[in-house]
Amino acid sequence: GIQVEQSPPDLILQEGANSTLRCNFSDSVNNLQWFHQNPWGQLINLFYIPSGTKQNGRLSATTVATERYSLLYISSSQTTDSGVYFCAAHTGTASKLTFGTGTRLQVTL
Amino acid sequence: DGGITQSPKYLFRKEGQNVTLSCEQNLNHDAMYWYRQDPGQGLRLIYYSQIVNDFQKGDIAEGYSVSREKKESFPLTVTSAQKNPTAFYLCASSSRTGYTEAFFGQGTRLTVV
Repeated sequence: GIQVEQSPPDLILQEGANSTLRCNFSDSVNNLQWFHQNPWGQLINLFYIPSGTKQNGRLSATTVATERYSLLYISSSQTTDSGVYFCAAHTGTASKLTFGTGTRLQVTL
Repeated sequence: DGGITQSPKYLFRKEGQNVTLSCEQNLNHDAMYWYRQDPGQGLRLIYYSQIVNDFQKGDIAEGYSVSREKKESFPLTVTSAQKNPTAFYLCASSSRTGYTEAFFGQGTRLTVV
């Protein structure tokens, strides 16, 4: 099945800094999602982005499907951005989202 | 409000007991999923259902069972055969299996002692 790898595994930022999280996947995808898992465990949908670029406030994401990677950009980070960020991918031959192991982000004052 | 409701949020059970986790959605989605998350790990698929009265095993189905009698509901039973049942369980739904955006419930944290 598809392999999904995220980097870096851990990231510590000062408030106001920018960051880029990367998601590599081993096969062509028809669904690529980014989630933020908050401290209570809930998965918050950030982007549904099988290809192209999307922006939502301080967050933006780009998926280059032909090169099998996706990037999540966080600008002007805030302490509320802390948590774990997951990407998840789906290929046409499967019926599930396969998750990466996540990037744990800590934003400090 | 449209969404996915999991209950309860926290569940404690003694070893050897079966326990059922509830998942209800009012998004009119055909597909529903159960995932398991262990500390510091990503999510792994337990079972999924593409349509009422049909469900398929995921990657870690051993020790679990499900039913899909109604479109809105996809309960998960953790049986005594599951060797390490203590985990965080997340239910999700999407309008079509895999090809459309999936949404998650708030999760149930199960502790077996």
